[in-house]
Amino acid sequence: DTAVSQTPKYLVTQMGNDKSIKCEQNLGHDTMYWYKQDSKKFLKIMFSYNNKELIINETVPNRFSPKSPDKAHLNLHINSLELGDSAVYFCASSQDSMTVWNEQFFGPGTRLTVL
Amino acid sequence: KNEVEQSPQNLTAQEGEFITINCSYSVGISALHWLQQHPGGGIVSLFMLSSGKKKHGRLIATINIQEKHSSLHITASHPRDSAVYICAVRSGYALNFGKGTSLLVTP
Repeated sequence: DTAVSQTPKYLVTQMGNDKSIKCEQNLGHDTMYWYKQDSKKFLKIMFSYNNKELIINETVPNRFSPKSPDKAHLNLHINSLELGDSAVYFCASSQDSMTVWNEQFFGPGTRLTVL
Repeated sequence: KNEVEQSPQNLTAQEGEFITINCSYSVGISALHWLQQHPGGGIVSLFMLSSGKKKHGRLIATINIQEKHSSLHITASHPRDSAVYICAVRSGYALNFGKGTSLLVTP
């Protein structure tokens, strides 16, 4: 069983479209994250949810909206896609956000290409 | 300026060599992570540490909190160690990442 899964693995779409990426974890973790890895392979935090509540919202355009229907799922919806949104998006989870010893488990990534 | 700096950016080694990757950070942290990103893109957590030294197989990670510096060592390197190694520091709720060190181990 995959611990953190993301769908789709690849997403190719036109500028201006709206798309969603789904993430699910079966580890029973309380905290989930979305990270963006740009073309230079640099990872940056976008959002973090702890038990369905938003706890981190970095300077991300408001075209990006995370949604957590329950603590096992954290979906990322992107409106009006732009060329600069092309990247690999990683979902991750950890036991909780308050404990120092807090290993992060990453999903396989979703490669988004905006044409 | 990124809060987490790694060196070197790229590293090529011959099989069997001892490898060191360095990470310096500028903020107060509660923990430091070393991650490995495989050529296929998957990311796995290697170590979390907030003091001292940890060892797992041929991998050793050390941290010096006073100097705000950590090192990742690989002993008896092997081609399967070829990957990008990423240092990340925990400050508050999230991780701030270094830009990664791309390691290639040749036979």
